[in-house]
Order: sequence, then C-alpha cells, then structure tokens
Amino acid sequence: GAVVSQHPSWVICKSGTSVKIECRSLDFQATTMFWYRQFPKQSLMLMATSNEGSKATYEQGVEKDKFLINHASLTLSTLTVTSAHPEDSSFYICSAPGTGVTQYFGPGTRLLVL
Amino acid sequence: KQEVTQIPAALSVPEGENLVLNCSFTDSAIYNLQWFRQDPGKGLTSLLLIQSSQREQTSGRLNASLDKSSGRSTLYIAASQPGDSATYLCAVSRTPYNTDKLIFGTGTRLQVFP
Repeated sequence: GAVVSQHPSWVICKSGTSVKIECRSLDFQATTMFWYRQFPKQSLMLMATSNEGSKATYEQGVEKDKFLINHASLTLSTLTVTSAHPEDSSFYICSAPGTGVTQYFGPGTRLLVL
Repeated sequence: KQEVTQIPAALSVPEGENLVLNCSFTDSAIYNLQWFRQDPGKGLTSLLLIQSSQREQTSGRLNASLDKSSGRSTLYIAASQPGDSATYLCAVSRTPYNTDKLIFGTGTRLQVFP
C-alpha cells in the first residue's frame, strides 16, 4: 500500500536554530501534501497545504515566514521551522492524498526545542 | 467555521466491554467522515470512512454510523481488547476530493485494561 515517510522521526535543537522536516511519498506521486501540528493530548491542527511547483497555502494564524514549506518534487515536501523556540515544540505530521478519498499519513516528527 | 468535538475526551474500561465514541460537527455540509486511530507518538491509521450518503460502515469489531443532519457520528467498538488502547480521531471533509483538507476532532483517548 501507499506509504508516506517522514525524516527525522525526532529532533532536539537549541532555541534560535532552524529545523527541516522531510515528508516523502514512497510509491506514489503527490502534487499536494498537508502539514499538521499536534500538541500533547490535543488533536491535529492543519498548518498548511503544500503544492508542488507553487506556493503553499497557510491556515489562518500560521506564520508563513516562520514555517517555510517547499514542495520541489512530486514526492517530497519539506517544512522548515525557522528560529525555533520552545513553544514550537510539537509533533508534526504530514499527509498526502492517495487514490479515491484516502489520505496517507506519515509517522510524524517530534520536535523538542530547548 | 467547522468545529468537530469528540466525547468523551478520555475513557478507561476493562477488557470485553462494548464502547461508543462520539463525534459531533457544527456544519452538516460535509462530504465524508473518517475515523482514525493514533498510537502514542505515531501517525494515523484510517479505520472507517463514511460517505455523506451512507449511514454506517463496518469493519470487524468496529461500526461507525453517521447522522449528517444532526451533525453526529458514533464509533462502536465491540468486545474491546487491550490492543484497542489508542487515541481515536474523527475527521470531516467538505468535498469528495482527497486534496481537500481534513478537519479533525478533539480526540478520545481510550485505555482498555486486562
């Protein structure tokens, strides 16, 4: 079946540094990918929709200059958290549409900013 | 703005019990509703998807129903097992296109103890 991978699975960084998270569709192409953020014991909140070859669409309240999204190919989208701060510590999950109405979710990336 | 709420937020039951998880949404103009399972620190696994024209879907010990007009869905788990312990999320979609975003509920954390 279709698989979406994320790398890294977890990352710890110092405050002020930038962190890049990759989302790959392994055996299918995805012109659209979604990035979600999940705080502890809370639900998934959509951050942005990543579009291959064009700018991402950000949800209200999400800073596009802080969360940079690049969707340079049909199988790869990246989320870069710039100048990360402790409040950015969260679980980041991506998804990609598959066949029909299905979306396939990545395993998530846990970010801890010290 | 669509809001999706799940009740209860947490549930702890002994093995063998039959369970009902509830999901409610404020805008009935949905195309489909999905139930997902999320294990701690992991991504999402799709359990059941109900189209707005359907009333229920079944998979093994799981049965999901949808009452679109009242903005409600329930997930019924029969004969619960410790392996069912996870967070259960419902999500709605406005369109039939899997490139459209999902709006997630607040989640129910389920613990089934032996």
